[in-house]
This record gives sequence, C-alpha cells and structure tokens, in this order.
Amino acid sequence: DAGITQSPRHKVTETGTPVTLRCHQTENHRYMYWYRQDPGHGLRLIHYSYGVKDTDKGEVSDGYSVSRSKTEDFLLTLESATSSQTSVYFCAISGASGVSETQYFGPGTRLLVL
Amino acid sequence: KQEVTQIPAALSVPEGENLVLNCSFTDSAIYNLQWFRQDPGKGLTSLLLIQSSQREQTSGRLNASLDKSSGRSTLYIAASQPGDSATYLCAVRMDTGRRALTFGSGTRLQVQP
Repeated sequence: DAGITQSPRHKVTETGTPVTLRCHQTENHRYMYWYRQDPGHGLRLIHYSYGVKDTDKGEVSDGYSVSRSKTEDFLLTLESATSSQTSVYFCAISGASGVSETQYFGPGTRLLVL
Repeated sequence: KQEVTQIPAALSVPEGENLVLNCSFTDSAIYNLQWFRQDPGKGLTSLLLIQSSQREQTSGRLNASLDKSSGRSTLYIAASQPGDSATYLCAVRMDTGRRALTFGSGTRLQVQP
C-alpha cells in the first residue's frame, strides 16, 4: 500500500468552527488531491496540488482552502464548518507519468459537523 | 462535463462465477481510466489503470478493457470469491493538463459462498 496517512481519522465539530485535516505521504509523489465522498454524489474533487505551493480548485472547492508547504504534507481547511460539509474526506497521491499516474488513496477522515 | 455511469448499481452472484462490471463515460477524450475497489468504511484500493492508448490490462483474476471511441470500459472478474465482495468504482481522467478523476457511483458486488 502507498504510504499515505490522514489525521484525524474521525472528528466531530460544531458549525462555524475552523477544521484542518492533514494528509501525509512518504512516497515523494508530486501530485496530491482532496476528495469528499457523499451518498448520492460519489467522490468529488475539492482541491489538488501539483507541487509545493502549487494548488488548484476542484469541482466542490467553495468553503475549503488548502496549503502545501512541503512535498509530503497537504492540508485541507474548512474555514467555517457547515453541516453540508459532513462527509468522508479522502486524500490521494499520484506520480508524474505512466503507471505512476495511478492515484492511491488514504484511509479517509470521517467528519461530522453538528 | 464528463459523466461516468456504472451499471448495475448492485450485483449478487454465487461463488465461482465469472462476472463483468460495466462503466460508461460521455466524453471519449479521456487520458486514462482507473478501476478501484472500496470495502465498507475503508479507502479506495487501486486495481488497474488503463491508458487511453491501451485496450486492456490484466492483474491476476482481473481484466479491464477499454473502448475509448464508444465510451465504455468493463472489469472482468474470473472465478469470483467471497473476498471479492466490495464496491467497485471506475474513474476517468480527461485528456487535459488537469489530473482530476471523475468517478462513477460504483457497483456493489456481493459474492455468496
């Protein structure tokens, strides 16, 4: 399995509070992604990164920000959590070309916003 | 906008059967297609990646085919086992600089012992 960890694995928070989720990789892959998975919507891309300090928006980026100050870490911040952000969040990584373009996923973070 | 559809949504088969899972996509300008499995409460495990120039990929009892022009991919599982029970997801990456995957909603497979 690709070396991807996510923290925390579970979190309960209240509406209006900021939340930061962390993704850490040991594979030295260039690309990192944040997805959310919801019943009826499947997996949708929130943000992704193509290098240190290089990020771009995905399909459902409103209310989220990201930062990548080191190759191995990609942070997802919910600036002011809302109940609609209750979801399972997955981080993924991939390499630059060929078979290394396979996206590998972390174990996920279950977030409940009350 | 790319849309990915997986049919059927759920499938139950007896152990030992060969089976085919289907994935279709609306925009044929894809760069690659990836199949994943997801066990309940777990992350996604990559099974196979097919580049747009390839017709199929094989890994053990799994074989994935790609017909880019018709917007279809199939995942063939030979001699199914109860341990194959999971949700299978296909995802496509478009032929652009962006590397985002667009996912189907998955096929939930149950293999009965």
